[in-house]
Amino acid sequence: ELKVEQNPLFLSMQEGKNYTIYCNYSTTSDRLYWYRQDPGKSLESLFVLLSNGAVKQEGRLMASLDTKARLSTLHITAAVHDLSATYFCAVVTNSGGYQKVTFGTGTKLQVIP
Amino acid sequence: DTEVTQTPKHLVMGMTNKKSLKCEQHMGHRAMYWYKQKAKKPPELMFVYSYEKLSINESVPSRFSPECPNSSLLNLHLHALQPEDSALYLCASSQLGGRYNSPLHFGNGTRLTVT
Repeated sequence: ELKVEQNPLFLSMQEGKNYTIYCNYSTTSDRLYWYRQDPGKSLESLFVLLSNGAVKQEGRLMASLDTKARLSTLHITAAVHDLSATYFCAVVTNSGGYQKVTFGTGTKLQVIP
Repeated sequence: DTEVTQTPKHLVMGMTNKKSLKCEQHMGHRAMYWYKQKAKKPPELMFVYSYEKLSINESVPSRFSPECPNSSLLNLHLHALQPEDSALYLCASSQLGGRYNSPLHFGNGTRLTVT
């Protein structure tokens, strides 16, 4: 059974600081997504990582994928309050042409002014 | 604005009721998904449809019955639910095509309360 674990589960950080969220998974996969979820809301796609060594950046967030280590990271640079949300990585496994997407445990980020 | 529309937004039902959740997308996606999310937990996969055929059933109890009438619509029929089934039910869709699978696009969800 695929396990997708994130750490930390909860992160409280001050504005302006940097931090990294880690996503480890237990099976072979070369595709991973990052999502953001605000309280009571749905999930918003942030990044699509398609191969080993992939790196994507959008604003203060940068995501990377190391398929050999089965590890993805989401790096936050100079955090601002608007980034407060829960972040999920999601590992993709394929079978018969469709994708099975398994979500990580989630990291709740709180950015303190 | 989400391109995946779910109705209703909220639903309260008794354990003997029968109700349905509806999901619609017009992005031309040929894969559709149902996820269940409990508070403070990640979404859990329930069902996957590809080309209107059920491809994955994650050992979901039979009181949940999915239906995909056409490529744009996905329903989840509910019957004899238990209070522990109360959760946010999320519908999603994605393109298909091997390496060109797209990320999942989620609807806003239906918040279900079973009394």
